[in-house]
Amino acid sequence: GQNIDQPTEMTATEGAIVQINCTYQTSGFNGLFWYQQHAGEAPTFLSYNVLDGLEEKGRFSSFLSRSKGYSYLLLKELQMKDSASYLCAVMDSNYQLIWGAGTKLIIKP
Amino acid sequence: ETGVTQTPRHLVMGMTNKKSLKCEQHLGHNAMYWYKQSAKKPLELMFVYSLEERVENNSVPSRFSPECPNSSHLFLHLHTLQPEDSALYLCASSRQLAGDYNEQFFGPGTRLTVL
Repeated sequence: GQNIDQPTEMTATEGAIVQINCTYQTSGFNGLFWYQQHAGEAPTFLSYNVLDGLEEKGRFSSFLSRSKGYSYLLLKELQMKDSASYLCAVMDSNYQLIWGAGTKLIIKP
Repeated sequence: ETGVTQTPRHLVMGMTNKKSLKCEQHLGHNAMYWYKQSAKKPLELMFVYSLEERVENNSVPSRFSPECPNSSHLFLHLHTLQPEDSALYLCASSRQLAGDYNEQFFGPGTRLTVL
């Protein structure tokens, strides 16, 4: 079966750095997405990786290793507004998104 | 401002009621999706439409009935639901059904409670 694993919850301190990991087993691979979802709101797109390596976008970076079935989202200079759930999703060979259950990130002052 | 809108934002209904959820996208996209989001569970894909044709129906009970009258609008008709159907229902759209850099844009969702 297809599976996406990510930690259920993480806690970090304002101003620090946090890395959220995602491992996947899917039938085929057509890219990996990270989304941010604040409580009661829509998921919003953060990043997309289809080739191995690091994609940087401001305070957020996303890394992909296709051979290891592994990705991480790196958040730097954490702010209180970064408290949210972070969703990892992989597009399989049928171009269907397979979603993880999300990682709830709690930022403490 | 999101390019995908959903109404209503909140809905409480009894098990014998019939209601409809509405989604509209203003992005000129060709693909639209219905998802169910339950607490601490992955997003569950319910239906996929591409150019107004249904291309995916992930074993969804018949009490959920989608309708896509044009590429900008998507409805989810609800009929004799069960309490376990209570969840956040999210609509999304993307430029096309397949291809690289094809991120989905989500609406704010409808929080549904079935009594």
